[in-house]
Amino acid sequence: AQKITQTQPGMFVQEKEAVTLDCTYDTSDPSYGLFWYKQPSSGEMIFLIYQGSYDQQNATEGRYSLNFQKARKSANLVISASQLGDSAMYFCAMRENTGGFKTIFGAGTRLFVKA
Amino acid sequence: KAGVTQTPRYLIKTRGQQVTLSCSPISGHRSVSWYQQTPGQGLQFLFEYFSETQRNKGNFPGRFSGRQFSNSRSEMNVSTLELGDSALYLCASTPSGGNEKLFFGSGTQLSVL
Repeated sequence: AQKITQTQPGMFVQEKEAVTLDCTYDTSDPSYGLFWYKQPSSGEMIFLIYQGSYDQQNATEGRYSLNFQKARKSANLVISASQLGDSAMYFCAMRENTGGFKTIFGAGTRLFVKA
Repeated sequence: KAGVTQTPRYLIKTRGQQVTLSCSPISGHRSVSWYQQTPGQGLQFLFEYFSETQRNKGNFPGRFSGRQFSNSRSEMNVSTLELGDSALYLCASTPSGGNEKLFFGSGTQLSVL
């Protein structure tokens, strides 16, 4: 069964420091995509970063990078130089084709950035 | 280009009623998917449509149904509402329904009393 696990319900980080949000996944499909989304208190879902299962290099988007360890089935999000505006809920997601594309989400990690 | 539009933004219904939620994807996007978000269950996949065909469905009872029109707009219907159906319903679209990022709407907040 497809599964996404985020084991950190809440995380605190000091402003300007880096933080790692954990995500592990489980799939038997060799082709899949891994995504991170941010959901501020306003409720909208914002795409942050994408990693394809066949990508050799870790994805980076500005202050966001994805630490992809395929053998361990982990896709951790690293946010560098945290800002107060990074305080939000963060969701790891996996998209795969199981007789039709489907995206499943982890339970999320709430990040609090302290001034 | 306009984003994904969901209407209405808020909805209050009573148990036993039915409700229809609407989603207009980004122009040119052919795939629409729906998700239910609750504090207890997180984000749960409901279904995904591509070119008017349902391609995948989550583990929800038959009271939850949807459809997609030829202009890619989608509707989701919930019949015989239960208190547990209270949730934020999010719609998302992608250009071709493949391994792509989702573009989300602002959601419809449904409260069942």
